[in-house]
Amino acid sequence: DAGVTQSPTHLIKTRGQQVTLRCSPKSGHDTVSWYQQALGQGPQFIFQYYEEEERQRGNFPDRFSGHQFPNYSSELNVNALLLGDSALYLCASSPSWGGRTDTQYFGPGTRLTVL
Amino acid sequence: GQQLNQSPQSMFIQEGEDVSMNCTSSSIFNTWLWYKQDPGEGPVLLIALYKAGELTSNGRLTAQFGITRKDSFLNISASIPSDVGIYFCAGRVRSGQNFVFGPGTRLSVLP
Repeated sequence: DAGVTQSPTHLIKTRGQQVTLRCSPKSGHDTVSWYQQALGQGPQFIFQYYEEEERQRGNFPDRFSGHQFPNYSSELNVNALLLGDSALYLCASSPSWGGRTDTQYFGPGTRLTVL
Repeated sequence: GQQLNQSPQSMFIQEGEDVSMNCTSSSIFNTWLWYKQDPGEGPVLLIALYKAGELTSNGRLTAQFGITRKDSFLNISASIPSDVGIYFCAGRVRSGQNFVFGPGTRLSVLP
């Protein structure tokens, strides 16, 4: 049973560039959430996708956008990168059915460095 | 917005000792999750709690959902070197809302 996978593992970009990160949810999960984790801090919620639509959004600017595909995989896009966007970006998946829909399983993350 | 506090921020213990850490909130939560994160990896779910007063175990780990619904506790018994890592609590106010994470407790185990 494959867990949550993310790509790429690491990424280096320069200020002003755009980046796309990818996530495949755990088998059987249809809901994907994205988090930003700065060094030494806990994950911060960016947004959540369900049925190919953004269902909830945290306190992040519009430069952060996403997409969910029919196979439940998801992308996180960040435009006009800033130095402060350097962080570990985590994807978490959960099922929308079957009782405990609350429990989220995380992928290994994508380490983004903005120079 | 909702904020979680975790204490202690970090701790150093001897192998074999028991560990206690807690998580507090200014808001009432209906779900608490505890995660462990190793360097360079994503958080791994340890225990999920859904009811005030609930006590749940996962091997040497035991977590409790505080009666006030504003706190949660995690205990690790007979610590071993692989317990090293950062422990995060996460909570949410109601079903369907996103989870808020604490800043983490960094655990170091000395042989």
